[in-house]
Amino acid sequence: SQTIHQWPATLVQPVGSPLSLECTVEGTSNPNLYWYRQAAGRGLQLLFYSVGIGQISSEVPQNLSASRPQDRQFILSSKKLLLSDSGFYLCLGGRFSGELFFGEGSRLTVL
Amino acid sequence: TQLLEQSPQFLSIQEGENLTVYCNSSSVFSSLQWYRQEPGEGPVLLVTVVTGGEVKKLKRLTFQFGDARKDSSLHITAAQPGDTGLYLCAGAIYDSNYQLIWGAGTKLIIKP
Repeated sequence: SQTIHQWPATLVQPVGSPLSLECTVEGTSNPNLYWYRQAAGRGLQLLFYSVGIGQISSEVPQNLSASRPQDRQFILSSKKLLLSDSGFYLCLGGRFSGELFFGEGSRLTVL
Repeated sequence: TQLLEQSPQFLSIQEGENLTVYCNSSSVFSSLQWYRQEPGEGPVLLVTVVTGGEVKKLKRLTFQFGDARKDSSLHITAAQPGDTGLYLCAGAIYDSNYQLIWGAGTKLIIKP
């Protein structure tokens, strides 16, 4: 079965510092991969999605970026974090059949 | 821009009452999923509906997919405090790519 490993689980960073969240996929190849962010008590907001290596689509303009250097690796980055970047970040993988699999999530607090 | 409007955004009711959460869109979905999420954790899949008009039951939860596959509802009968959480709907569209559109979520509180 497909699984996603996402890390780190918890991160506390000062404003202006860089960010790197990573997720890796096991058990399947060529998945669609997504980064979502969720503010407290709110629904999920799509940040980036990727249909293959090096292919990134951005849904929301912001100071975040994403990269997919390998088929099973998806990275969310920022050069300089803002206070508003705080939240819960979730990596999702999707198959064309509609099956979804989730990372464990990363809670980012920017101080 | 494809949207999935979920309502209500917030609902607080007494234990034993019934409630319904709605997700509506102008888009036609290949499938629609309902999730429940606890604070600090990822969403947990409750059900996937695929066929227009489909009704699925999960104990006291009843899920319905609209005939045109543009809307869905979640009905909870005799709500219990354990039902408290964030409920999310997500519609999947398969064309040349695979798109997943999320509702904004319904924060449900069941008071004992």
